[in-house]
This record gives sequence, structure tokens and C-alpha cells, in this order.
Amino acid sequence: LAKTTQPISMDSYEGQEVNITCSHNNIATNDYITWYQQFPSQGPRFIIQGYKTKVTNEVASLFIPADRKSSTLSLPRVSLSDTAVYYCLVRIIFGSGTRLSIRP
Amino acid sequence: EAQVTQNPRYLITVTGKKLTVTCSQNMNHEYMSWYRQDPGLGLRQIYYSMNVEVTDKGDVPEGYKVSRKEKRNFPLILESPSPNQTSLYFCASSPNSGGGLKFTDTQYFGPGTRLTVL
Repeated sequence: LAKTTQPISMDSYEGQEVNITCSHNNIATNDYITWYQQFPSQGPRFIIQGYKTKVTNEVASLFIPADRKSSTLSLPRVSLSDTAVYYCLVRIIFGSGTRLSIRP
Repeated sequence: EAQVTQNPRYLITVTGKKLTVTCSQNMNHEYMSWYRQDPGLGLRQIYYSMNVEVTDKGDVPEGYKVSRKEKRNFPLILESPSPNQTSLYFCASSPNSGGGLKFTDTQYFGPGTRLTVL
């Protein structure tokens, strides 16, 4: 199964755009890429999913290049409430996640 | 309200004392799963179930048992808990149409159970 690699942590400021990149070199042809958000002491929550190119919803955008070996989650104009751990998944395997801290 | 519930939310127990953590979902999902979350290790899958009476091991099944007698319930059983099973546990469910977990299926997570084994 494809393993994912993400930065351990990132910091940003309110109102900025945040991009978190995930590497998944061994992704299979029929695999989708899914991102989850997790707040302390809560279960992960689905954010967005995509297969290729770009997907956008009311919360985030997901960019996937043609080779699909990486993906980038983009959070526009973050706020303090976006402070959380973000997980990139290929199939059902969770990585260690990226701890995003947003400052005023 | 569509949800996954777990009980208890917090549990402190002693080594060797059998315990069960319950998980229930009201979304008629076929797929259910248990994860444990430890600092620095992310979420690791313990067991999963594709449907009633169908269960299989995940990445870290040692020391755990599960059963799936009904579609909505998927209890996690620790027959003889040990301190290394102290962790935060999450149950999750997912719709599963057409057999096998489709990898587009979103997983819905419960609120978590924090277990401490002394």
C-alpha cells in the first residue's frame, strides 16, 4: 500500500493561504487521495478528496499533478480555528500528519 | 443525526482486566474499523470489518479482538490489557457499495476513547 510523507509541522498567520504538500510515490492507478483534519481529542474529519488535477470545495482546494506522486492541500485565508493536524491518505493508510499552527 | 458513537469515552483500568469498547453507527455503513492513535505514530488500524461476520486484521491487531454480529455495532475487546495498549482509540465507518472498500469512500470517525492501562 502506498505510504504518504508530509511535513511534521507548519506555522502560518491568520488571513494567509496555507499549502501542505504530501508525497505518495507508490500511488496505484486506482487510488484516490484524501485529506482529513483532526482537532485535539476529536476524530479525524474529511476535508477533500481527489484523483487528478484540481478539486475545490467550500473548505479547501486539492492540487494533484499529472504524475500523481504528490498532492497539495490549499487552505485559503486561514483563521485560528484552522489550527489542527492534517492527514493525507492514499487508500486507508494514515501517515503521521502535519501539525498546522495558525497565529494571530 | 448521522454519527458514530463510542463508549466509554474515558477508561482507566489495570493490567489483565478484560474490557470492551463499544462502537455504533446509525448510517447503515457496511465498513467499520478501529484505530489507535499514539504520539508521533499517527493513526494505525487495528481491525476492520467489510460487513456482518466479516472481520480482518489491520496493521496492529495483536492483543485485540473484534466482532461484527450486527451491521451497526463493532466492539473492540481487550482480553488481557497491558500498559502498552494505553492509547486513544477511534472507531470509524464508511459506506461500502459493491463489495470491498472503495478507496473513494469517506470514513466517519467517532469521538474517541482514551484508555489508560495501569
